[in-house]
Amino acid sequence: KNEVEQSPQNLTAQEGEFITINCSYSVGISALHWLQQHPGGGIVSLFMLSSGKKKHGRLIATINIQEKHSSLHITASHPRDSAVYICAVDDKIIFGKGTRLHILP
Amino acid sequence: DTGVSQNPRHKITKRGQNVTFRCDPISEHNRLYWYRQTLGQGPEFLTYFQNEAQLEKSRLLSDRFSAERPKGSFSTLEIQRTEQGDSAMYLCASSFGLTNTQYFGPGTRLTVL
Repeated sequence: KNEVEQSPQNLTAQEGEFITINCSYSVGISALHWLQQHPGGGIVSLFMLSSGKKKHGRLIATINIQEKHSSLHITASHPRDSAVYICAVDDKIIFGKGTRLHILP
Repeated sequence: DTGVSQNPRHKITKRGQNVTFRCDPISEHNRLYWYRQTLGQGPEFLTYFQNEAQLEKSRLLSDRFSAERPKGSFSTLEIQRTEQGDSAMYLCASSFGLTNTQYFGPGTRLTVL
């Protein structure tokens, strides 16, 4: 069993839909990261969080330390949000396999 | 552009050859990470430095792989006697201190023929 599990693996939605991507982990962590990877490979760090909730524009990330679970939400999704979203946990820097999101116009 | 640069961006080599990649982090960042990513998979941690000290190495980093960060600034990752299984994207990231928000470089795509 992977130490970091993401679901779904693939997600296709219509523009404007509310998107949720989930991440569960089985190891102790000091922080959890959400990353965005566009075609061509560039990776951008979206959030680093160790408790509670963070918001940046249309993106919201939450974490429940007791349940070892985090979610990334995208409100009013747009085709430019299409990318692979990766969850990664510190300290051993373990990555999930990513969720491939495709937003249709 | 995150401020982290990697060179070369692409490298094609024949099996058995040695290759070296370079990463230039954001200048004030004291932590530097190397990752490997194969197609369709998430990145895998290889090693990381705090300043010039290599603090952790993954078991993925066989003895054919060596990384250095001699002056605590840029870093090199060398792969000796390359194998076809080494074909991957090699990513570098840097961060500062305890915040640990990592900034990723564009990667070096290695193809071993």
